[in-house]
Amino acid sequence: GNSVTQMEGPVTLSEEAFLTINCTYTATGYPSLFWYVQYPGEGLQLLLKATKADDKGSNKGFEATYRKETTSFHLEKGSVQVSDSAVYFCALSPYSGYSTLTFGKGTMLLVSP
Amino acid sequence: DAGVIQSPRHEVTEMGQEVTLRCKPISGHDYLFWYRQTMMRGLELLIYFNNNVPIDDSGMPEDRFSAKMPNASFSTLKIQPSEPRDSAVYFCASKTITGKDTGELFFGEGSRLTVL
Repeated sequence: GNSVTQMEGPVTLSEEAFLTINCTYTATGYPSLFWYVQYPGEGLQLLLKATKADDKGSNKGFEATYRKETTSFHLEKGSVQVSDSAVYFCALSPYSGYSTLTFGKGTMLLVSP
Repeated sequence: DAGVIQSPRHEVTEMGQEVTLRCKPISGHDYLFWYRQTMMRGLELLIYFNNNVPIDDSGMPEDRFSAKMPNASFSTLKIQPSEPRDSAVYFCASKTITGKDTGELFFGEGSRLTVL
């Protein structure tokens, strides 16, 4: 079946540090991959996505590259801010146009000043 | 355009009582999802609808849970009777699929349920 595995948190960083949150997946075929972010007290919102191998999704300084050879979609940011403190979810759709997403368990990021 | 609207934002009830959570999806979206989020189990898909028809309810934990979507702009998730283990944040989300695009999922702000 389809599954997403994320690194366990919390990830604790100081402001301006480099961020990596690991995400690997299991899926047949050619899934689409997503990162969603949940700020405190809010619902999830789409951060970035990639729909085919070697695509790079980017938004708000965050990036993730779809690596089919390693079945990974790691989230990175060069310099985090306190306002980036949130829970980050990696997710996949087994193919384009599929109705549901499979989410990972989420990784909490805490950034201190 | 308004986002996904959920009510109530917070609900505290006693074990055995009926709980009804409400959701208004984004206008024009033809998919509606109900999720439950807990610390222990993370984000779980309970049920989803397409064009008001339930497609997959395999995530509904037991018969105490039921969901309806009487029209394109309204859905309810009902728990009867409620139990303390139902305490969680319940999210409603909606989307539409255009062509081959999976479609961005838009979440409401959630309903935090506490069952005493």
